[in-house]
Amino acid sequence: AQKITQTQPGMFVQEKEAVTLDCTYDTSDQSYGLFWYKQPSSGEMIFLIYQGSYDEQNATEGRYSLNFQKARKSANLVISASQLGDSAMYFCAMREGVENSGYSTLTFGKGTMLLVSP
Amino acid sequence: GAGVSQTPSNKVTEKGKYVELRCDPISGHTALYWYRQSLGQGPEFLIYFQGTGAADDSGLPNDRFFAVRPEGSVSTLKIQRTERGDSAVYLCASSLIQAGGSDTQYFGPGTRLTVL
Repeated sequence: AQKITQTQPGMFVQEKEAVTLDCTYDTSDQSYGLFWYKQPSSGEMIFLIYQGSYDEQNATEGRYSLNFQKARKSANLVISASQLGDSAMYFCAMREGVENSGYSTLTFGKGTMLLVSP
Repeated sequence: GAGVSQTPSNKVTEKGKYVELRCDPISGHTALYWYRQSLGQGPEFLIYFQGTGAADDSGLPNDRFFAVRPEGSVSTLKIQRTERGDSAVYLCASSLIQAGGSDTQYFGPGTRLTVL
């Protein structure tokens, strides 16, 4: 089974509107972390937001918020007031296994391409 | 401060040749990771360094791939006898391992490897 599932290959949104990018995950660990990265056409992976499995409140970073629903194992990214510069690939990633190994690597989903139109 | 840097940004080589890809992590970051991203996919883990040692190389696809980090800072990913299937973007990331922290990984711009 895939550990990170992003079901939306592409999303379209108009400038200034909000958009939600879906992410579901699969893990048996109690301690894990969820990340969202943005990858514009230049190729660099840009860190956006982090949610720890024990965090009680949803993470927010400026126009980005993470809708964390632990029981449903979902960690959707919400971008408010979309801007043209938000057009990019967005990847959801999970860190797990820290308690057993003391370190973490990331498992990524396949990504969602977001296009923001004027 | 400076982010993660990778050189070269692009590398074109012929099948069977040897290539080296370099990563310079964020200063002070003890953890360094290599990932490979094929077209249309998310990055896939290759190898992880904590300090100078490779703590986990389970993602390396075969013994043609090798990586070093001799002084605990700069790392080099080495690919022998390259094959066309090795063509991908190779991403390097670094993080500061902290107890109770997010250990957020910060990525470099990647090296696009093309094997002809």
